[in-house]
Amino acid sequence: EAQVTQNPRYLITVTGKKLTVTCSQNMNHEYMSWYRQDPGLGLRQIYYSMNVEVTDKGDVPEGYKVSRKEKRNFPLILESPSPNQTSLYFCASSFTLNSAYEQYFGPGTRLTVT
Amino acid sequence: GIQVEQSPPDLILQEGANSTLRCNFSDSVNNLQWFHQNPWGQLINLFYIPSGTKQNGRLSATTVATERYSLLYISSSQTTDSGVYFCAVVRAGTALIFGKGTTLSVSS
Repeated sequence: EAQVTQNPRYLITVTGKKLTVTCSQNMNHEYMSWYRQDPGLGLRQIYYSMNVEVTDKGDVPEGYKVSRKEKRNFPLILESPSPNQTSLYFCASSFTLNSAYEQYFGPGTRLTVT
Repeated sequence: GIQVEQSPPDLILQEGANSTLRCNFSDSVNNLQWFHQNPWGQLINLFYIPSGTKQNGRLSATTVATERYSLLYISSSQTTDSGVYFCAVVRAGTALIFGKGTTLSVSS
């Protein structure tokens, strides 16, 4: 089954404790991206990757890191989480980000930082 | 930058009613998607519809790209249709730009 998976789905952690949210897709997509969703602010892009070893900042990259060492995986790293990073996070992928292709979203990761 | 506006912001229906959700966008686009976010937070792809009309069961969508709007029709609504409906368009090849959504509540 074609899908985007994220782990963990739910996470409660404390300020400053490094964490990684994994994202994997099995559709051979080149483009992958991370979004966060907050009440009143909607969905905003954090980072994106056009292909292996090619990443770039989105609209809200502060406090996050990403890597793209292989095509299927695009982990999101929070080196020192803070309470303002409490949010619902989504990973997305598509063949490329242009007119021809639909984006697919993972199930979401609900993160709480205390 | 490109703006995406959705209306109405909230919609309350009785089961069995029909509804139309609207999405206006400020620039010409060639990629538009509709999503349903269910009460558990999952984003479900409904339609990829840069132009024309598509139907999937009780749902259908129409995009008139030249007039910069898209419509999502829900017929014979069910309680499972409740949630938030988003439209999103591509910005300059880097991101999907989402509207603020329409929150639909269907009661039995």
